[in-house]
Formats: sequence, structure tokens, C-alpha cells
Amino acid sequence: AQSVSQHNHHVILSEAASLELGCNYSYGGTVNLFWYVQYPGQHLQLLLKYFSGDPLVKGIKGFEAEFIKSKFSFNLRKPSVQWSDTAEYFCAVSPIYNQGGKLIFGQGTELSVKP
Amino acid sequence: KAGVTQTPRYLIKTRGQQVTLSCSPISGHRSVSWYQQTPGQGLQFLFEYFSETQRNKGNFPGRFSGRQFSNSRSEMNVSTLELGDSALYLCASSLGDRGLSEQFFGPGTRLTVL
Repeated sequence: AQSVSQHNHHVILSEAASLELGCNYSYGGTVNLFWYVQYPGQHLQLLLKYFSGDPLVKGIKGFEAEFIKSKFSFNLRKPSVQWSDTAEYFCAVSPIYNQGGKLIFGQGTELSVKP
Repeated sequence: KAGVTQTPRYLIKTRGQQVTLSCSPISGHRSVSWYQQTPGQGLQFLFEYFSETQRNKGNFPGRFSGRQFSNSRSEMNVSTLELGDSALYLCASSLGDRGLSEQFFGPGTRLTVL
């Protein structure tokens, strides 16, 4: 079965610390990859996406992610977090054969940034 | 451009009733996908409609159904509600161009089943 695994359920960091959130998926075919963020009281927003090409993708607010095909991983990184990054982060995979209509989400990682 | 809108934002129903949720996609988007979000199960895919046809389906019972209209607006129906159907139901729209675009999410409808 297709699945997405996020390594951490809850991460607590101080401002200016570096962030890396792990994401692995299990699916043998071609996929598109996404990271979404849900700020408190707000709806899901796209942070970044990978369709093809350079495996290192940059998103909004200084976030980036690297796709490592051999490891089925798509880890999210940010060199220096801010208090405003406090949110829940979701990794998602979309198998190509679903033509973009189906996202398989990980369980989410709650990030708390201490000022 | 207006974002994805969902109505109503909140609903309270009792077991056995049925409910219809509505989603208006971003103008020009032809694909609408529905998801259920719960604390225990996370975000789970329900189904996707593209050009008025169900194109993808998740692993939910037949009590969950949907449809899409010619203007791309979509409705989701849940019949014979159960307590476990209490959740945030999210709708997302995309261009639907064979996996070459991302999904944009609405604010959700919070359904409580008593």
C-alpha cells in the first residue's frame, strides 16, 4: 500500500535553530512530492513542490527540500527558524498515475518554535 | 483570484442523518479533491472529480459520495452519519492537468456528529 512516513510527530526548537523534517514514502512508481503547512487557525498552504528536474527545490519563507530518489525521501529544511514558523507540516505524495488528483499525506509534524 | 471556498464552515448533525458539503474551486480549476482530517487518522483522501467524473477514489465506504457540476463546483454527501464521521472535511482544487499542478485547499467544513 502507498504510504508516507514523517519521522517526528513534535519538534521543539529555539529561534535561529536549523530545522530538518524527515519524510519517506513507499511507492514504486513516479510521484510528485509536496510539503504543506498549516498555521494555527489557517488552512493548508503549499510550501514547496517537486515535479521533476533539480532534486533540491526551494519554497516560500526560506524553506527548501531535497528529493533523494534512491532513499524515497523528501526532507524539508530551513537554516534558521523563526517563531512565526510554528505550525504543523505535512509531507504529501501524488502518484503520477492518479494524474495529480490524489494526495497521500504523512501524519504531520508539529513544530513549536520558542522565541 | 478568489481561493477555494467551502460551505458551511460548521455543521452539527446527529447519528443517522445525512449531510451535504459544498466546495467552490478556484476559477479555471477543473479538478476537485476531498479529504477527511481527524486527529487519529490524519489527512485521508476521499475522492477526486474532474470534468464532472469521479477520477480517483479513496478507501471510504459507499456512504461517502460526491458529484461535480458543469461549473466545477463540487458537493460531498455523507449518508447515515456515524459518530466516527466527525472530522474536518477539506476540499482542494487544481487545474487537473495530468499531475502538473498543485492542489489548493479550502478552509474546511467542521462536521460534528452527536
